[in-house]
Amino acid sequence: SQELEQSPQSLIVQEGKNLTINCTSSKTLYGLYWYKQKYGEGLIFLMMLQKGGEEKSHEKITAKLDEKKQQSSLHITASQPSHAGIYLCGADMEYGNKLVFGAGTILRVKS
Amino acid sequence: ETGVTQTPRHLVMGMTNKKSLKCEQHLGHNAMYWYKQSAKKPLELMFVYNFKEQTENNSVPSRFSPECPNSSHLFLHLHTLQPEDSALYLCASSPWDLAGGPGEQFFGPGTRLTVL
Repeated sequence: SQELEQSPQSLIVQEGKNLTINCTSSKTLYGLYWYKQKYGEGLIFLMMLQKGGEEKSHEKITAKLDEKKQQSSLHITASQPSHAGIYLCGADMEYGNKLVFGAGTILRVKS
Repeated sequence: ETGVTQTPRHLVMGMTNKKSLKCEQHLGHNAMYWYKQSAKKPLELMFVYNFKEQTENNSVPSRFSPECPNSSHLFLHLHTLQPEDSALYLCASSPWDLAGGPGEQFFGPGTRLTVL
């Protein structure tokens, strides 16, 4: 099994609907990063979470790290076609510069 | 230019060819990374360089040879590749200072490699 589990693997939502993507680890996370990727392109940094219970928002995207620092969720409010893409979580599982990534969640938004 | 750039964006090569991928970062970062992204597989870390020194080699076959001449440039030399090496190769950089740790990684657009 993977060190970082992302769910769901893919998601199709109607424009305007809310959605949540989860990222779960069996180990304590020193840092949790959310990225967005358009197919075949590089990753765009969205947010970084480090403290248990931390929550950050950017426009209509909110990310949380739970108190135990083993799970994070990414929530998109009132989804739009521009939100479509692949969302990846990456994590520092031990202090250092090695990020482990989840398999990604493919998001499609229907107009 | 700003951010992290990669060249070429697309590369097609035969199994007997030798080619190199180039990555350049304009962010003043101290760490650089090579990742491989294959279809339906998680992003795989290949190599990490901190202050030009290789600190991570994630069991990568020797047909991939990295080079980091300075903190701003990173190369991936390719030779005798196999068709299963076809993938998107992503470069990233991060601040990596001793006080703050690695920091968030900023990615380049990637090189789409096809091995025939």
